[in-house]
Amino acid sequence: EVQMVESGGGLVQPGQSLRLSCIGSGFSFSDYGMNWIRQAPGKGLECVGFMKSEPYGGTIEHAASLRGRFTISKDASKNIVYLQMNSLQIDDTAVYYCTQWVGASSFSRHWGLGTLVTVSS
Amino acid sequence: DVQMTQSPSTLSASVGDSVTITCRARQSLRDWVAWYQQKPGEAPKLLLSTASTLEGGVPSRFSGSGSGTQFTLSINSLQPEDFATYYCQQYMYFPTFGAGTKVHIK
Repeated sequence: EVQMVESGGGLVQPGQSLRLSCIGSGFSFSDYGMNWIRQAPGKGLECVGFMKSEPYGGTIEHAASLRGRFTISKDASKNIVYLQMNSLQIDDTAVYYCTQWVGASSFSRHWGLGTLVTVSS
Repeated sequence: DVQMTQSPSTLSASVGDSVTITCRARQSLRDWVAWYQQKPGEAPKLLLSTASTLEGGVPSRFSGSGSGTQFTLSINSLQPEDFATYYCQQYMYFPTFGAGTKVHIK
């Protein structure tokens, strides 16, 4: 069974950093692409970045609106994908979901439960 | 980024009604559009991909159509469990979502 579990969320002050983790089970992140998608309270969905699977080059891309503050990386040996978030701002407050691609397409069949990041002074 | 213009933002309907939600893009997406359903406190659930391919286990009262720049999600004979928020997503380019349509009980 495919499962993804996010962790690492919490309350931070503006300007601080946080690293989220997504542990995958039942599949390998090397074989499947993934998205980090966030949802601010009461708002819609926003993709903050993705990582393609190794057969498709393992390319990582981040939302341009983040201006380089967020970085996706992977520890293949542990089947964990990370989202490093720096210079956090109040409007980064959101639930952050880890999702699995379907094949080479960046829509999401499998979603984690999400982890809440709150940026507040 | 490709902007997905979704309408309406809210929709009032009764059990048994049929409803249609639309997403438009300014550039062609061929059929690279997916639709999701989200209920409060839950992660979104994939309903359709490639504009019209129903995900396994999704009731046949859900259907999708469109190609290019205009896409629709239709729900025939709304059931109580269908009252939720629906999102379109394009995946031809960097993934972007519509703003969502909240379907609530009239």
